[in-house]
Amino acid sequence: GQNIDQPTEMTATEGAIVQINCTYQTSGFNGLFWYQQHAGEAPTFLSYNVLDGLEEKGRFSSFLSRSKGYSYLLLKELQMKDSASYLCAVPGGATNKLIFGTGTLLAVQP
Amino acid sequence: DAGVIQSPRHEVTEMGQEVTLRCKPISGHDYLFWYRQTMMRGLELLIYFNNNVPIDDSGMPEDRFSAKMPNASFSTLKIQPSEPRDSAVYFCASRVAGAGAHNEQFFGPGTRLTVL
Repeated sequence: GQNIDQPTEMTATEGAIVQINCTYQTSGFNGLFWYQQHAGEAPTFLSYNVLDGLEEKGRFSSFLSRSKGYSYLLLKELQMKDSASYLCAVPGGATNKLIFGTGTLLAVQP
Repeated sequence: DAGVIQSPRHEVTEMGQEVTLRCKPISGHDYLFWYRQTMMRGLELLIYFNNNVPIDDSGMPEDRFSAKMPNASFSTLKIQPSEPRDSAVYFCASRVAGAGAHNEQFFGPGTRLTVL
């Protein structure tokens, strides 16, 4: 089966860097997704990793280590608007489902 | 292009009433997913369809919940009778066929359901 673990909450300061970790267990790996969800809104796609290493996309980067079952989302130059929940998700094997973690609620403070 | 469309955006009803949530997926997408999100349980998959056929409904809580997809552009999630514990945000999502990056799902704005 699949299992995903993320910290429940994190707090960081505007302008700083924050790293949100995700560990997963899955039968058959087919990539890992990160979604951002602002309060009261739908989840929106941030990144997809299928190979080991760091994928950079502007202020956001995502890292994957398949051997360790580990990923992180790195947010640089934090802005107040980055306050949101960040969801880690993996495809559920051959089932075409996405299995979501419970999300990490990030609060960016002035 | 319009994204996933859901209606209504907000629904307040009384216990025992029937509730119908509606979803229009992105045109050309082969998969449609219904999720429920609560503070306690996070984002839970209820059911998903492939080419209008229900594939996995193992997440549907009980017989009070049912979902249909009569055609490629429309799906409904029905709760009858509704109960206060059904209060949640219900999301619909869709995606194209394929593996890997094609697993990316596009979410609608959600329906916030309150059952009194």
